Amino acid sequence: SAVISQKPSRDICQRGTSLTIQCQVDSQVTMMFWYRQQPGQSLTLIATANQGSEATYESGFVIDKFPISRPNLTFSTLTVSNMSPEDSSIYLCSVEGGAKTQYFGPGTRLLVL
Amino acid sequence: GIQVEQSPPDLILQEGANSTLRCNFSDSVNNLQWFHQNPWGQLINLFYIPSGTKQNGRLSATTVATERYSLLYISSSQTTDSGVYFCAVDPPNSNSGYALNFGKGTSLLVTP
Repeated sequence: SAVISQKPSRDICQRGTSLTIQCQVDSQVTMMFWYRQQPGQSLTLIATANQGSEATYESGFVIDKFPISRPNLTFSTLTVSNMSPEDSSIYLCSVEGGAKTQYFGPGTRLLVL
Repeated sequence: GIQVEQSPPDLILQEGANSTLRCNFSDSVNNLQWFHQNPWGQLINLFYIPSGTKQNGRLSATTVATERYSLLYISSSQTTDSGVYFCAVDPPNSNSGYALNFGKGTSLLVTP
């Protein structure tokens, strides 16, 4: 298994600003994933982040809006840029923890006013 | 892309009752997992089960890959079982490695 922490746990932001979310894993992992969960909805994959390469974004998500960094095998950041109220969601990172099981961080609850 | 449908969308049980949650998927999959999201939002991995049957305490799961469905059984439910249960799959033609496509979930409330 993997232990994942995220910072911040929650934030309230003004529209037009940006927020960077950090994800830290207690072991080295090849792939990290970023998901969004809008209020009352399921999870949607934003992008896959591999160390040493550009993140791979899913349809509907672009790098200018959600830039991702992956500087090493235990850490990643997701930035939500130029925020609007529609970006209010829970943002979760996850990793593949062996035997193809996925483990999720506790999430970052974002409210944009 | 692959469609993942879960039923029922909502379920209310009295403590001690049993239940079955269903997940149908529209294509073959490499990976199928069941998660529980507790009321505080934390996602807990319950089962990795692309085929066959597994059991863990009061929970068990069965996936019939050839018929493209999976079932999650909860026996002797407890109030701590409340939350949302998600089925998630990784289709074989995915470019996202082990990234998962999630169903909309079953929201379960267990009352005392």
